[in-house]
Amino acid sequence: AQSVAQPEDQVNVAEGNPLTVKCTYSVSGNPYLFWYVQYPNRGLQFLLKYITGDNLVKGSYGFEAEFNKSQTSFHLKKPSALVSDSALYFCAVTPSGYSTLTFGKGTMLLVSP
Amino acid sequence: EADIYQTPRYLVIGTGKKITLECSQTMGHDKMYWYQQDPGMELHLIHYSYGVNSTEKGDLSSESTVSRIRTEHFPLTLESARPSHTSQYLCASSLPGLYNEQFFGPGTRLTVL
Repeated sequence: AQSVAQPEDQVNVAEGNPLTVKCTYSVSGNPYLFWYVQYPNRGLQFLLKYITGDNLVKGSYGFEAEFNKSQTSFHLKKPSALVSDSALYFCAVTPSGYSTLTFGKGTMLLVSP
Repeated sequence: EADIYQTPRYLVIGTGKKITLECSQTMGHDKMYWYQQDPGMELHLIHYSYGVNSTEKGDLSSESTVSRIRTEHFPLTLESARPSHTSQYLCASSLPGLYNEQFFGPGTRLTVL
């Protein structure tokens, strides 16, 4: 069975600094990886996904993620954090041939002014 | 903003009541999903559907039931609500095929007293 680990419950970063939210996965076969963001009292919003090809994936709001097969990781990054980036971030995986997602437990990102 | 709607947004009811959580989408998506989100943030898939008259149980065992009579509508029903059902319920939809991103509704926060 597939699984996703987000090792940090919370990440704190100052506005203007780079941010990283970590994600590692376990899946049989090729992984298909997603990042979503959830703002308070809202549903999840899609940020980006890795299906195949370039290991560096660019997404919405200036976010990007790097797929690393040898480390089974898919960390979310942004060069310069904004206070408005403060939210809950979820990593998700689906194995080849499936369309349902397995989510990590989420990481709260807090960006201070 | 994705066109997927959930009603009610908040619901407080007593034990033993029958409730139906509504989910509708106007995007014509074949696939729809229900997730339960714990207070500790993690999402668990409880039901999904690949199209009309198709329903499947998800990873998390749930006492709820779903139906899919129309493409745009995917209601979730609890025949007899209990305090253990207190949670946030998120509905999502996606295009057919594999590895397409899911669009989420705003969620229904259910409290059973």
